[in-house]
Amino acid sequence: EAGVTQFPSHSVIEKGQTVTLRCDPISGHDNLYWYRRVMGKEIKFLLHFVKESKQDESGMPNNRFLAERTGGTYSTLKVQPAELEDSGVYFCASSQGAGVYEQYFGPGTRLTVT
Amino acid sequence: SQQGEEDPQALSIQEGENATMNCSYKTSINNLQWYRQNSGRGLVHLILIRSNEREKHSGRLRVTLDTSKKSSSLLITASRAADTASYFCATGKNYGGATNKLIFGTGTLLAVQP
Repeated sequence: EAGVTQFPSHSVIEKGQTVTLRCDPISGHDNLYWYRRVMGKEIKFLLHFVKESKQDESGMPNNRFLAERTGGTYSTLKVQPAELEDSGVYFCASSQGAGVYEQYFGPGTRLTVT
Repeated sequence: SQQGEEDPQALSIQEGENATMNCSYKTSINNLQWYRQNSGRGLVHLILIRSNEREKHSGRLRVTLDTSKKSSSLLITASRAADTASYFCATGKNYGGATNKLIFGTGTLLAVQP
């Protein structure tokens, strides 16, 4: 069974540009989460999808970030325009249910904004 | 202030020895998950323990949870060089169908010397 996959593994962009990160959850997992770690700090929650619906987006830092999950399969996280402080590692996770279930993480996308 | 805090921040042991890492948290939870991250890679899920559980085992791993002390420990027995990694605890509080957003600590860096 394939795990959570993320693309790209690394992205380097200039301040002001746009970047789109993609996450493919484990097949059959309706629940998809985005997390990120910036500036060597703790990994922090961004948002949670149940199928195509946003269940909780309380961790999204500002309106430069847009997450979508059309069709309830893969998800994208767009940063537009990117700022220097957006640099970090963006993780995606998926789980079988929305409650107390194991969350399986992908390898992450390392975003560098110069 | 952060929810999870691992102790020690770094641990170096010899192969074959046991390694114990601790995690303390501040608010009530209903689940705690331990993860491993090898250098530059994604998070690997190790164990999920619910608040009504006191201990769980998986292979060479043993996790305990003391909700009265708001702490958890991860014990790795008979360590191997391949266990060298960062270990994170992540707490979740999912009540009434709310999102089980995980709050991560800063991690313990374990080095197992061959």
